[in-house]
Amino acid sequence: EVQLLESGGGLVQPGGSLRLSCAASGFTFNIYAMSWVRQAPGKGLEWVSSLNKAGDDTYYGASVKGRFTISRDNSKDTLYLQMDNLRAEDTALYYCVKDLRFPLFGGDSWGQGTLVTVSS
Amino acid sequence: EIVLTQSPATLSLSPGERATLSCRASQSVSNSLAWYQQKPGQAPRLLIYDASNRAAGIPARFSGSGSGTDFTLTISNLEPEDFAVYYCQQRSNWLRSFGPGTRVDIK
Repeated sequence: EVQLLESGGGLVQPGGSLRLSCAASGFTFNIYAMSWVRQAPGKGLEWVSSLNKAGDDTYYGASVKGRFTISRDNSKDTLYLQMDNLRAEDTALYYCVKDLRFPLFGGDSWGQGTLVTVSS
Repeated sequence: EIVLTQSPATLSLSPGERATLSCRASQSVSNSLAWYQQKPGQAPRLLIYDASNRAAGIPARFSGSGSGTDFTLTISNLEPEDFAVYYCQQRSNWLRSFGPGTRVDIK
């Protein structure tokens, strides 16, 4: 059974940093692209970032580009999101998402999310 | 950046009725479009990938169609558990975006 377990969320002041982790199990991690998707309270879904199976191609949404960094450690089956210079509008539930095997498109497994709150 | 527009914003229907949800892209995404269902307090669930393929375990009453810029999700015979919010998502050159969602609620 595929499991994605996010951690690292919490309360942080504007301008601060957080590092989210997503521990994956139940599948061969290093053959799937992975993504982060967020959802602000009461709002819709927003794509944050994706990276390929090797981790050497990374992609970001316009609202986080230059502030967030996605990475992965295939030896630890773990996905990361380093979030710097956080803003109030980054407050959201952050989901870790496993892609279908490329070139198929769709996120077929989602974690339960980790909550990030940016507030003074 | 490709913008997805979903219509209607809200669809009020009764169990047993047919639901037709639309997703339109600001430019062609070929068939790189997925549909998700989200219920309150839950993570989204993949329904349709590559515009028209049902994901594993998804009932046959869910179907997707379209290519290029216009896509449709059809729920042929609404069950009580289908009342939820539905999102489309596109991928173009690895960049992605979601539509704003369509809420399907009970009439």
